[in-house]
Amino acid sequence: DAKTTQPNSMESNEEEPVHLPCNHSTISGTDYIHWYRQLPSQGPEYVIHGLTSNVNNRMASLAIAEDRKSSTLILHRATLRDAAVYYCILRADPSGSARQLTFGSGTQLTVLP
Amino acid sequence: DAGVTQSPTHLIKTRGQHVTLRCSPISGHKSVSWYQQVLGQGPQFIFQYYEKEERGRGNFPDRFSARQFPNYSSELNVNALLLGDSALYLCASIRTGGSEKLFFGSGTQLSVL
Repeated sequence: DAKTTQPNSMESNEEEPVHLPCNHSTISGTDYIHWYRQLPSQGPEYVIHGLTSNVNNRMASLAIAEDRKSSTLILHRATLRDAAVYYCILRADPSGSARQLTFGSGTQLTVLP
Repeated sequence: DAGVTQSPTHLIKTRGQHVTLRCSPISGHKSVSWYQQVLGQGPQFIFQYYEKEERGRGNFPDRFSARQFPNYSSELNVNALLLGDSALYLCASIRTGGSEKLFFGSGTQLSVL
């Protein structure tokens, strides 16, 4: 899987939007962009994924650059419960039987009250 | 429905011993993956099983082995434990057939003394 680059840490104020960036300059045409987050003392949790178009769900939005070399996870109103490590992951062959994820170090998001 | 369940939640072993970790996937999920997460790092892929067959293996020594049972539950075995095997071991289940989400359990924290 191609490599992603994320900031080690970010801070946000409660109830404000948060934009978490991810660079993936070596992404291939068939790589999907996935985001997972890991709250303290828990396993990772799926957040959102996309291929080319921007995506929205109840948890977040994913904005994908036109050249797909970068993407941004948007939390519209951060809460204290959003404090977690956020992982940006590229996955090839999503329709195949392999379901492995290659995690980097992620971004530690701190939400300030 | 219950989520992914892992047992035990915590375990302390000494060097040279072996350990068996257990995972029950979400009902209806036929594929299970195992990940190792060392403190301060992202999870690293160990194995994936689907329909009782190994479908992927990460860069781990032969001391690590796994199997999947007819009810789709899984065991991860580690022989000849080393201090460096101390980590959080995560199990993820996947509903194959279109879903791109991995559902993780809360993990087993293994400490090797």
